[in-house]
Amino acid sequence: GEEVAQTPKHLVRGEGQKAKLYCAPIKGHSYVFWYQQVLKNEFKFLISFQNENVFDETGMPKERFSAKCLPNSPCSLEIQATKLEDSAVYFCASSQNPGQGKETQYFGPGTRLLVL
Amino acid sequence: LAKTTQPISMDSYEGQEVNITCSHNNIATNDYITWYQQFPSQGPRFIIQGYKTKVTNEVASLFIPADRKSSTLSLPRVSLSDTAVYYCLVGDRLDYKLSFGAGTTVTVRA
Repeated sequence: GEEVAQTPKHLVRGEGQKAKLYCAPIKGHSYVFWYQQVLKNEFKFLISFQNENVFDETGMPKERFSAKCLPNSPCSLEIQATKLEDSAVYFCASSQNPGQGKETQYFGPGTRLLVL
Repeated sequence: LAKTTQPISMDSYEGQEVNITCSHNNIATNDYITWYQQFPSQGPRFIIQGYKTKVTNEVASLFIPADRKSSTLSLPRVSLSDTAVYYCLVGDRLDYKLSFGAGTTVTVRA
């Protein structure tokens, strides 16, 4: 598609429950990025993929967060045993192959996760 | 990544030109300057990117002085729909992860 699609739009979980978020990148984009926006303007990089391979996972809280990008499937971000501080908007972005002048990242509308 | 400093907020009126200046004193030789715009309940949207001098597209202009320690995003003749948060990002073009600062909330009034 021409836009990054994210589902669901909203997600409510009780503390300790699992949350799974999905992202379909723009067709033809090789790179997928996940960001977390906790407070109004504060973004945190979580992880990036080059096709189905993890490219950079330096921002991932590895104890409870995991992510995948499998062929012919939406990418996913999963949080096991959610905590209150996981409440945030999670954005997915995709881009064409960097290094070829296509570094712009296109963001999806986000998934708003609320942990109660 | 070089850190950036930009005003927290700016107010303007329809039809005016809005200039947002971003300071990045520690910018490195390989760093580019990129601006994103975020409307409420939406993801950030790329506006413009530059390395030095001036870049212009259909949405905005980006002015970068010779020392590159700051940059100014110029939005000509803003409308109410330009009310958004504007982020200045500085980073190596091949450091694929983006590092967002606090951004500048621009409010355009009628």
